[in-house]
Amino acid sequence: NAGVTQTPKFQVLKTGQSMTLQCAQDMNHEYMSWYRQDPGMGLRLIHYSVGAGITDQGEVPNGYNVSRSTTEDFPLRLLSAAPSQTSVYFCASSYSMAANYGYTFGSGTRLTVV
Amino acid sequence: AQKITQTQPGMFVQEKEAVTLDCTYDTSDPSYGLFWYKQPSSGEMIFLIYQGSYDQQNATEGRYSLNFQKARKSANLVISASQLGDSAMYFCAMREGSVAGKSTFGDGTTLTVKP
Repeated sequence: NAGVTQTPKFQVLKTGQSMTLQCAQDMNHEYMSWYRQDPGMGLRLIHYSVGAGITDQGEVPNGYNVSRSTTEDFPLRLLSAAPSQTSVYFCASSYSMAANYGYTFGSGTRLTVV
Repeated sequence: AQKITQTQPGMFVQEKEAVTLDCTYDTSDPSYGLFWYKQPSSGEMIFLIYQGSYDQQNATEGRYSLNFQKARKSANLVISASQLGDSAMYFCAMREGSVAGKSTFGDGTTLTVKP
């Protein structure tokens, strides 16, 4: 049982480049989310999805796009990378809106934009 | 507006002692969930414990317990019998309403367990 798989683990981009961070889960979780973590700070929500075909913006969506064509996959696209997007990106999934299900997190992608 | 506040940037505790990590929250939604996560130096995020707004009893999971004081809007994490492996960053988070994919995190508390 792999849980939540994020690729790549590390990435260096030049300003203006685009890329897609991959996230896949094999737990049949309905809910998936993307967060970014800047040094010394908590996680901030970028986008989230409550099921295939349904996505919504979080706190810091600008510069990012998402889509959810399947239950398993939730890729995050950086449209035109900027140094301010240097961060650690976490994908997370959750089984249910009910009760005591916390997130299962991926191992993170450390992105540096130069 | 900050919805989750963790006022202790860093905490120290002696091995085998108990420690309380503070968390206060702000919401007008009567239905919400409160979570604690652990982030070791390796960077992964680990779910520890959950408390629902309608739960009558404080949540417990092994050595972790959540001291939930609804009227004060606080959800402190208590770790009993601290171990060296408890040294990590701890995050309090809140989910408002019933949208499981949308949580707000505090800035975290770094806990260091001394031998």
